[in-house]
Amino acid sequence: QVQLQESGPGLVKPSETLSLTCTVSGGSINGYYWSWIRQPPGKGLEWIGYIYYSGTTNYNSSLKSRVTISVDTSKNQFSLKLRSMTAADTAVYYCARSTSTQLDYWGQGTPVTVSS
Amino acid sequence: QLVLTQSPSASASLGASVKLTCTLSSGHSRYAIAWHQQQPEKGPRYLMNVNSDGSHNNGDGIPARFSGSSSGAERYLTISSLQSEDEADYYCQTWATGIQVFGGGTKLTVL
Repeated sequence: QVQLQESGPGLVKPSETLSLTCTVSGGSINGYYWSWIRQPPGKGLEWIGYIYYSGTTNYNSSLKSRVTISVDTSKNQFSLKLRSMTAADTAVYYCARSTSTQLDYWGQGTPVTVSS
Repeated sequence: QLVLTQSPSASASLGASVKLTCTLSSGHSRYAIAWHQQQPEKGPRYLMNVNSDGSHNNGDGIPARFSGSSSGAERYLTISSLQSEDEADYYCQTWATGIQVFGGGTKLTVL
C-alpha cells in the first residue's frame, strides 16, 4: 500500500520561505505525478502544483511566481518551497500521487501557520 | 475555463441513500472526474473515477455502496446504506493538461 508522509515546520514567519518534504513508501516515485495541495482553515482544497518523476513541473497560475517543486528519486521524496509567505498561506498542506489524471493516494497533511 | 460546481451541503438519513452532484463547466462535459472523501479532521481519501459514459472505478478498499454515474455535464456520487462515518466533505476533482481542479466541496450530514 502506497503511503505518503509530509514533514516540515509547523510555523513560518511572514516573508520567509516554507519548505516541506513528502516521503513516499510502499511504492516507487517513478512513473507518477506528485502534487502539493493545500486547505486553508474551514475552506476547500487548492491545488498548488505537481512534478513528474522525471522533473517536469506545472504550477497553479495564482502561485507560480512563488512556488518551486523538486523531486529526489533516490530518496523517494519530493519537496515544496513557497516563498514570501503571508497569513493567507496558513493552511494544511497535503501531498498526493496521480497518474496524470486522478489523485489516488494522499498524505495525512501537515498544518502550517504563518505568524511572527 | 475548467470549473467544477458542487452544492455546499446535503443531508440524508442513516441507512438511506444520497446522490451528490458535480457539474462541469460549459465546453467540458466529456471530462472524467474523481471523487474524494474528507472525514472530519482527516486528510482526503480517493473514492473513485467517474467517466463521461457513466462508468466508474472504485479505489482500493472502497465498498460497493459507493458508486458513480454521469448525465451530460453532471457527475454523480451515490452512497447507499448510509452510515454515520459517511458524514464528511466530498470533493470532485478533474484534470487538464498541466492542471488539477477541485470543486468547492459538499458537506454531507447523516441524520
